[in-house]
Amino acid sequence: GDSVTQMEGPVTLSEEAFLTINCTYTATGYPSLFWYVQYPGEGLQLLLKATKADDKGSNKGFEATYRKETTSFHLEKGSVQVSDSAVYFCALRGSQGNLIFGKGTKLSVKP
Amino acid sequence: ETGVTQTPRHLVMGMTNKKSLKCEQHLGHNAMYWYKQSAKKPLELMFVYNFKEQTENNSVPSRFSPECPNSSHLFLHLHTLQPEDSALYLCASSQDPGTPSTNEKLFFGSGTQLSVL
Repeated sequence: GDSVTQMEGPVTLSEEAFLTINCTYTATGYPSLFWYVQYPGEGLQLLLKATKADDKGSNKGFEATYRKETTSFHLEKGSVQVSDSAVYFCALRGSQGNLIFGKGTKLSVKP
Repeated sequence: ETGVTQTPRHLVMGMTNKKSLKCEQHLGHNAMYWYKQSAKKPLELMFVYNFKEQTENNSVPSRFSPECPNSSHLFLHLHTLQPEDSALYLCASSQDPGTPSTNEKLFFGSGTQLSVL
């Protein structure tokens, strides 16, 4: 069945460090791919998305590129801030139309 | 503020109690969802409602009972829960449930943190 695998956390970085959170997926066809972010005490909110191969989603300095050949959608940011501390979820639109999420990766950014 | 409101924010209940979680969306959406968020596990979809009709039930135990009286309100009735049911319960909504090719996003509430003693 459709599934999402993302790197185990927590990830701890210093401010201005480079961030990569790996995400790979298993699915039939070419599903839409998403990154959601959950700030402390809040629900999830969409960070960025991509709907077809080679699409690049971007928002708030974060980027992710839909790689069909490696079935990946890694999240990157060139310079993280303390305010980026949150849990990040990779997700895909499954064959039944519902969103399928990964386990989440907790990011902590230290000043 | 996402337009999806959940109450209560925190709930502690015993295994013999009966309680209900409430979700309300002010976005005019037609689809609503219950998700369970447990530590170190993927977000689990529990129930989907489309135009007030339940369209999906992912093998959820009967001790969880959803109710969707209208397209703006969603409840999750809880009874005789187990300690392993302790988790964050998230409500979400979208304009429609979507198809495999849609890129429509979900709007989430802040969740109810449930502890079962």
